[in-house]
Amino acid sequence: RKEVEQDPGPFNVPEGATVAFNCTYSNSASQSFFWYRQDCRKEPKLLMSVYSSGNEDGRFTAQLNRASQYISLLIRDSKLSDSATYLCAVILTGANNLFFGTGTRLTVIP
Amino acid sequence: GAVVSQHPSWVICKSGTSVKIECRSLDFQATTMFWYRQFPKQSLMLMATSNEGSKATYEQGVEKDKFLINHASLTLSTLTVTSAHPEDSSFYICSARGAGALSYEQYFGPGTRLTVT
Repeated sequence: RKEVEQDPGPFNVPEGATVAFNCTYSNSASQSFFWYRQDCRKEPKLLMSVYSSGNEDGRFTAQLNRASQYISLLIRDSKLSDSATYLCAVILTGANNLFFGTGTRLTVIP
Repeated sequence: GAVVSQHPSWVICKSGTSVKIECRSLDFQATTMFWYRQFPKQSLMLMATSNEGSKATYEQGVEKDKFLINHASLTLSTLTVTSAHPEDSSFYICSARGAGALSYEQYFGPGTRLTVT
């Protein structure tokens, strides 16, 4: 069983649309949660950390649901430049490393 | 701050040869470095974790004699793919974690694309 599961997509949305991704994690001992963005043939870049209280950064909102063991990412007013693969990642309690999901591919269409 | 570099950015080698990839933290001391591998359309899979001056801890299924990791200083870790085969062709990415304020995040290098012919 994978530590982190994501719908690989692809999600093709028009500019200006709102799109949401979910990611489920299997280990209830997971302590830290993140969303990364990865462009083709590039390294992942941290988009935002995810806190229990939820957090927002401009057009991006991340939520954590510990009871159901999932995290979500909402992108409002999609831009062409948002086209990328979005990876969720978790760190288990007592561990030091990130476990990544397979990523969800987003394409924003003009 | 917190920049990680990798060298080379891409390499093509013949089957049976060895390839060394370097990962450097340019402006901080990396107490822990991680090596990931990513095949096309798949996620990053952790290969091993290394702390400066000690042996690397390998993930299950990763051959430590094939993927040699050396973390000799607080700013440099190397991954050597020995006797490379075409199935080792992949995108290898390192990341580093520092101390104090730099311990909350893993900083990723730009990756090395390895093609074994």
